[in-house]
Amino acid sequence: DTEVTQTPKHLVMGMTNKKSLKCEQHMGHRAMYWYKQKAKKPPELMFVYSYEKLSINESVPSRFSPECPNSSLLNLHLHALQPEDSALYLCASSQVQGLGEQYFGPGTRLTVT
Amino acid sequence: GQQVMQIPQYQHVQEGEDFTTYCNSSTTLSNIQWYKQRPGGHPVFLIQLVKSGEVKKQKRLTFQFGEAKKNSSLHITATQTTDVGTYFCAGPSSGNTGKLIFGQGTTLQVKP
Repeated sequence: DTEVTQTPKHLVMGMTNKKSLKCEQHMGHRAMYWYKQKAKKPPELMFVYSYEKLSINESVPSRFSPECPNSSLLNLHLHALQPEDSALYLCASSQVQGLGEQYFGPGTRLTVT
Repeated sequence: GQQVMQIPQYQHVQEGEDFTTYCNSSTTLSNIQWYKQRPGGHPVFLIQLVKSGEVKKQKRLTFQFGEAKKNSSLHITATQTTDVGTYFCAGPSSGNTGKLIFGQGTTLQVKP
């Protein structure tokens, strides 16, 4: 199974809402990533988890809160977002951090109203 | 800071024509990866190049890594409509943090 799954596919939320994005992989990968992608731009790294510990936080605002409950799951908790946070949020995984290809999930298309 | 630049930004070709996208890094890279993102889709890994001067082929796609390991190219021979999408190159950041630095991407449109 070389698939990374993400739920939900689409999410519309108000600026006062709290929501969570979920990501799952069963490839035994020990590195998991959150990216944000705006239209016609490359993916922009937000967070990296390595062996379930937060390894990289690219100075992401605290309204985004990542969580790695176990080696297969990655969550992104959202609270008090701004309209400019509307984007495609991609989860990815790799065998270990910094080694080999990254497998991307289909993404969650987030709209903040 | 470290940058990966990619040109052209857009390319429109007639089906059957060839296509090339170029990637240049401001620093020497240990490896370079290429990803393809279809419209409405997510990035999908195509290939990783590691050795100086390396050339790899996947059917109609030819990937090259420069001798100085600072540039790379992807060439598609006889494009097809299925080649439509955005092609990104990506190199690891300095310091081996595990972060990938993506180029801005080249969006390929193929006219049937």
